[in-house]
Amino acid sequence: AQSVTQLGSHVSVSEGALVLLRCNYSSSVPPYLFWYVQYPNQGLQLLLKYTSAATLVKGINGFEAEFKKSETSFHLTKPSAHMSDAAEYFCAVSDHTGGGNKLTFGTGTQLKVEL
Amino acid sequence: KAGVTQTPRYLIKTRGQQVTLSCSPISGHRSVSWYQQTPGQGLQFLFEYFSETQRNKGNFPGRFSGRQFSNSRSEMNVSTLELGDSALYLCASSLVIAEEQFFGPGTRLTVL
Repeated sequence: AQSVTQLGSHVSVSEGALVLLRCNYSSSVPPYLFWYVQYPNQGLQLLLKYTSAATLVKGINGFEAEFKKSETSFHLTKPSAHMSDAAEYFCAVSDHTGGGNKLTFGTGTQLKVEL
Repeated sequence: KAGVTQTPRYLIKTRGQQVTLSCSPISGHRSVSWYQQTPGQGLQFLFEYFSETQRNKGNFPGRFSGRQFSNSRSEMNVSTLELGDSALYLCASSLVIAEEQFFGPGTRLTVL
């Protein structure tokens, strides 16, 4: 079975500082990995995805993530945090084997951006 | 292009009642998945439909059911509601299997 672990349920950074949100996955097959963001009272918005192409993936709003197979990690980074980045972030792995489309999510990381 | 729409956005029901939630995927998308989000359990997969066929089902009791219509619109039904069914129910659509899923705003269900 596939799983995702997000280290740190709450992360706080200063505006302009580096954002680093950690995600480790477990998968018996080459994974498809995703980062989603959720603002209060809204659905999930896709930030970026990894589907076995380039290991460094660039997404929207200046976010990027690097797939490291040796570390089974897919950490999300942004060089300079903005107040509008405050939200909850979810890492997810796709169970695409057998033609399925099921996403397994991590427990989420709440990002707080302080002045 | 319009995004995924879900109706209603908010629902209040009492224990024992049943509820039907609706989801309209992005035009052209044939895969629709449903997820339940609660503070305690996080985001959990309910089921997935593709071309009117259920392809995957999560670990939920039989009270939770769904279907997909020929126009790809989907509904999920929860019968005999329990307090623990209070959650945000999210629908997501994708063009094909194994591509990124796009989420709707969700339906907030409160069971009293």
